[in-house]
Amino acid sequence: KAGVTQTPRYLIKTRGQQVTLSCSPISGHRSVSWYQQTPGQGLQFLFEYFSETQRNKGNFPGRFSGRQFSNSRSEMNVSTLELGDSALYLCASSLQGEDEKLFFGSGTQLSVL
Amino acid sequence: KQEVTQIPAALSVPEGENLVLNCSFTDSAIYNLQWFRQDPGKGLTSLLLIQSSQREQTSGRLNASLDKSSGRSTLYIAASQPGDSATYLCASRMDSSYKLIFGSGTRLLVRP
Repeated sequence: KAGVTQTPRYLIKTRGQQVTLSCSPISGHRSVSWYQQTPGQGLQFLFEYFSETQRNKGNFPGRFSGRQFSNSRSEMNVSTLELGDSALYLCASSLQGEDEKLFFGSGTQLSVL
Repeated sequence: KQEVTQIPAALSVPEGENLVLNCSFTDSAIYNLQWFRQDPGKGLTSLLLIQSSQREQTSGRLNASLDKSSGRSTLYIAASQPGDSATYLCASRMDSSYKLIFGSGTRLLVRP
């Protein structure tokens, strides 16, 4: 069974641009969540989607948005990029349930110049 | 607000040694606690998940314990190997959503 797939693997953008990252969850998983990882702040929760609905959102500005499609694939978008948005963006999927683990993709490394 | 702390931040041990990684959390009303491994530049691999009603979970050479009353979890690695070198992160889940609160991790180096 294929794991969580994130594309692209690497991205280089300049300040002010926008970017869209994609995540395909494990087949059958309906929950997709996104995390930002930086050396200074560690892993921080961005948002979670379940059945195309945003179920929870972290403390990030409105420039960060996401969506989930009917096939559970998810995208996140960052508009008006800032230098501080440089990070590893990780997507995770899970079956719904108390004892279900989170399975992470390899991430998208975003560099903002 | 839940805060998760991991000590030590880095650890270097010789191959074959048994070791313990520590994770503490401030809010004991957790849903579950999960331990992950992360290799450089890669995503996270789930190692063990402990439900709030459980005291420990085991998988191979790994054993994780949970003590909600003291706000602590430990990950025990037996007979460490160089392949165990990675960053280990613990994360608490507070409700039915998948918003995990992560610790900052322990970077482990197992020397041959």
